[in-house]
Amino acid sequence: GDSVTQMEGPVTLSEEAFLTINCTYTATGYPSLFWYVQYPGEGLQLLLKATKADDKGSNKGFEATYRKETTSFHLEKGSVQVSDSAVYFCALSDYGGNQFYFGTGTSLTVIP
Amino acid sequence: GAVVSQHPSWVICKSGTSVKIECRSLDFQATTMFWYRQFPKQSLMLMATSNEGSKATYEQGVEKDKFLINHASLTLSTLTVTSAHPEDSSFYICSAIPTSGVQETQYFGPGTRLLVL
Repeated sequence: GDSVTQMEGPVTLSEEAFLTINCTYTATGYPSLFWYVQYPGEGLQLLLKATKADDKGSNKGFEATYRKETTSFHLEKGSVQVSDSAVYFCALSDYGGNQFYFGTGTSLTVIP
Repeated sequence: GAVVSQHPSWVICKSGTSVKIECRSLDFQATTMFWYRQFPKQSLMLMATSNEGSKATYEQGVEKDKFLINHASLTLSTLTVTSAHPEDSSFYICSAIPTSGVQETQYFGPGTRLLVL
C-alpha cells in the first residue's frame, strides 16, 4: 500500500544553516506530494506541494522537487531562521485525493 | 482563502461527559472533511472521513459509537467524544477539501486540545 517515510528528528540547526529533510514515498498510482508545517500548539499549514513528476514546489524559501525515479520529495531551505522551528510533515495524496498518507513528522529547532 | 476553523480550541471536561468539537470551512464548501488525532510528538492519526449528507467512514480501530461525526452541511462537521475518559485526552485536528477546485489539497483547522480529568 501507499506510504510515506521521512527522516527522523529531531533536527537542530544554527540560524542560516542549510536544511534538508528527506522524504520518500511508495504509491500505486500517481500521487500528489505535500509538505505541511506545524508550529507549536497549532494545526497544520500547507507549506508546498507538487502534483506530478519533476514539479518543484516552493514557498517561504523552502523547496521540494517531485522525483519519480527516486520516489522522493526532499524538503530544502538554503538558510533557516529561528522562526522556521516547527514540525514538518511529508504527505501524499493518491486516487484523486481520496487517500492521504502522512509521514511521522520531523521536528526542527533553529537556534540563534 | 481556504480557512478552516475549529471550536473550541481548548476544552477541559470531567470523565464521563461528552464533548462536541466543531470544524468549519469559512470561505469554501467542503463535501469531505477529515478528523485526525495527534498524540504528543507524534504524527497525525486519521480517525474518520466525514462526507456531507452521509455516514462517516471510520478507520480501523476507531469506535464509531465513541466518536460521533456529523457532517450536516457543506461547511460544518462536528466530532462528539461521548463519555470521555482520560485516555481520550489528545489534540484533535480537522481538515477539509474544497468541493470545487483542486481536490487533492487538505486545509487544516488549528486543532482542539481536549483534556479529560
